[in-house]
Amino acid sequence: AQTVTQSQPEMSVQEAETVTLSCTYDTSESNYYLFWYKQPPSRQMILVIRQEAYKQQNATENRFSVNFQKAAKSFSLKISDSQLGDTAMYFCAFMKHEGGSEKLVFGKGTKLTVNP
Amino acid sequence: DTGVSQNPRHKITKRGQNVTFRCDPISEHNRLYWYRQTLGQGPEFLTYFQNEAQLEKSRLLSDRFSAERPKGSFSTLEIQRTEQGDSAMYLCASSLATGGNQPQHFGDGTRLSIL
Repeated sequence: AQTVTQSQPEMSVQEAETVTLSCTYDTSESNYYLFWYKQPPSRQMILVIRQEAYKQQNATENRFSVNFQKAAKSFSLKISDSQLGDTAMYFCAFMKHEGGSEKLVFGKGTKLTVNP
Repeated sequence: DTGVSQNPRHKITKRGQNVTFRCDPISEHNRLYWYRQTLGQGPEFLTYFQNEAQLEKSRLLSDRFSAERPKGSFSTLEIQRTEQGDSAMYLCASSLATGGNQPQHFGDGTRLSIL
């Protein structure tokens, strides 16, 4: 079974600075997807960024980028120029790449606070 | 795109009662997922549908839980004889199955509190 571990329960960062959230995972699969989801307080979960395991190039979405290290099974999220609206729970998630399921396996999350 | 809609937003009930939640996915999405999220945890997969067919169920989905998607559009999740441990946020998500990976879009969730 796949597991996802987020070792930082809480983090804080000053507005405009850069922060990195850690995620490691365990799987015997060779082909899969990794995701970062953001869940603001009392609001719905939204997708931040996605990485296909077969792609060596790290995904980037505006201020959000990942450092994907497949051999180390590590998938960290870097947020540049942090904004107050980035305050949220961040969940790392894994999905097998095979026909059918596409269920997400989530970590426990990291609570990020951006301070003014 | 009106997003994934879940009703009710909050449900408070006494232990032993039955509850039913509804999820309306994004209109063109044919995959629909249910997850459960307890305090301090990430969401855990419960079950998933492709159109009206329930294709996968987690072992978390005991026989007190049943989910349906009768016409391949909205879905309902029923919990019978509720227990204290059922208190959680129940999240619904939908996605478009096109043969490749598509992101899951989540609703606001239904928060269940068992007295």
